[in-house]
Amino acid sequence: DAGVTQSPTHLIKTRGQQVTLRCSPKSGHDTVSWYQQALGQGPQFIFQYYEEEERQRGNFPDRFSGHQFPNYSSELNVNALLLGDSALYLCASNPLGVPNNEQFFGPGTRLTVL
Amino acid sequence: DAKTTQPTSMDCAEGRAANLPCNHSTISGNEYVYWYRQIHSQGPQYIIHGLKNNETNEMASLIITEDRKSSTLILPHATLRDTAVYYCIVRVEHGSSNTGKLIFGQGTTLQVKP
Repeated sequence: DAGVTQSPTHLIKTRGQQVTLRCSPKSGHDTVSWYQQALGQGPQFIFQYYEEEERQRGNFPDRFSGHQFPNYSSELNVNALLLGDSALYLCASNPLGVPNNEQFFGPGTRLTVL
Repeated sequence: DAKTTQPTSMDCAEGRAANLPCNHSTISGNEYVYWYRQIHSQGPQYIIHGLKNNETNEMASLIITEDRKSSTLILPHATLRDTAVYYCIVRVEHGSSNTGKLIFGQGTTLQVKP
């Protein structure tokens, strides 16, 4: 049973560019959350998707957007990249409607903005 | 903002119990305490969670005070592989959908020494 998978593993972009990161949830999970982790910091919640809609959002600008597909996989898009967007981007999944369930995290995508 | 406070770092001798404290004095009555750990830029790994009763699983024990304002994660026999950043998290629920978001703090860096 595959866990949460993310692609690509590493990515290098330049300021002003756009990037798309991808996530496939653990089998049986339909809710996907995205987190940003800057170096030396704890992960920060970006947003959460289920039933193909954004349901919760953290304190991130509109440059950060996402999408969830019918197969529950998800994309994170970041426009007009800034140097400060360099971070490890983590995807987590959990099953909707199951009380007190744990979120399973993927290995992350390391984004470097030059 | 994170609802938990943890020491920045701790050391533990290999084979001894590691006791990691956490303060969550503003926790609400229905909010759970979760513990995750992160080993060197991998995705966070779930350890344990609880509401008000002490919990134990194959990885650790969680002791929550009666007033629920603090808790302690116990790794009974720490090994070198337990060296990681440990996050104590109060999960913030979103309505009745059981899709809570995790608000991470800075965590405790646990160094297990031979």
